[in-house]
Amino acid sequence: QKEVEQDPGPLSVPEGAIVSLNCTYSNSAFQYFMWYRQYSRKGPELLMYTYSSGNKEDGRFTAQVDKSSKYISLFIRDSQPSDSATYLCAMSAPYTGGGNKLTFGTGTQLKVEL
Amino acid sequence: DADVTQTPRNRITKTGKRIMLECSQTKGHDRMYWYRQDPGLGLRLIYYSFDVKDINKGEISDGYSVSRQAQAKFSLSLESAIPNQTALYFCATSDSGQGSDTQYFGPGTRLTVL
Repeated sequence: QKEVEQDPGPLSVPEGAIVSLNCTYSNSAFQYFMWYRQYSRKGPELLMYTYSSGNKEDGRFTAQVDKSSKYISLFIRDSQPSDSATYLCAMSAPYTGGGNKLTFGTGTQLKVEL
Repeated sequence: DADVTQTPRNRITKTGKRIMLECSQTKGHDRMYWYRQDPGLGLRLIYYSFDVKDINKGEISDGYSVSRQAQAKFSLSLESAIPNQTALYFCATSDSGQGSDTQYFGPGTRLTVL
């Protein structure tokens, strides 16, 4: 079983829809939870990160973490064609001796149609 | 200008050839990483370096080596390239002063080994 599971999609929605992207995980040591957006032929770009259970909002994006269920979500409101990309969840746990190891989901491909 | 740059952006080579991928950053971060990305497998860590004199193996280091020439430069070498090393390679950086140790990615190098 992978430490981080993410539905690969593809997910296709009409413009203006609310999008829900999700990841589950098994490692209780994960402390920080991140969402990256990756456009085709580009590097992953950090969207948001959270430390504890709860919600964090940034414009049209809301990240939600439920540590008791080991489940994280990213919601995109009023989705736009420019949101079409692959969304990667990532979670970090401390290395022995310092630093954090990031574990990534495989990514969900999102397409927002006009 | 991009904070994390990678050269070359694309490379086609033959089995058995030695290849070097280079990464430079202007973010002033002390930590640097090399990942490869494969369809369905996500991002996997090859090597990481927490400062100039610190080099650590990641989960898939076999067949690869690295050199941290300066705080801002981290190169990845394939001593004798093989076809299953065909992938997208990403360099990333992070700041040890940030509790989250959030990683920032370069644009990637697409490597094809024939």
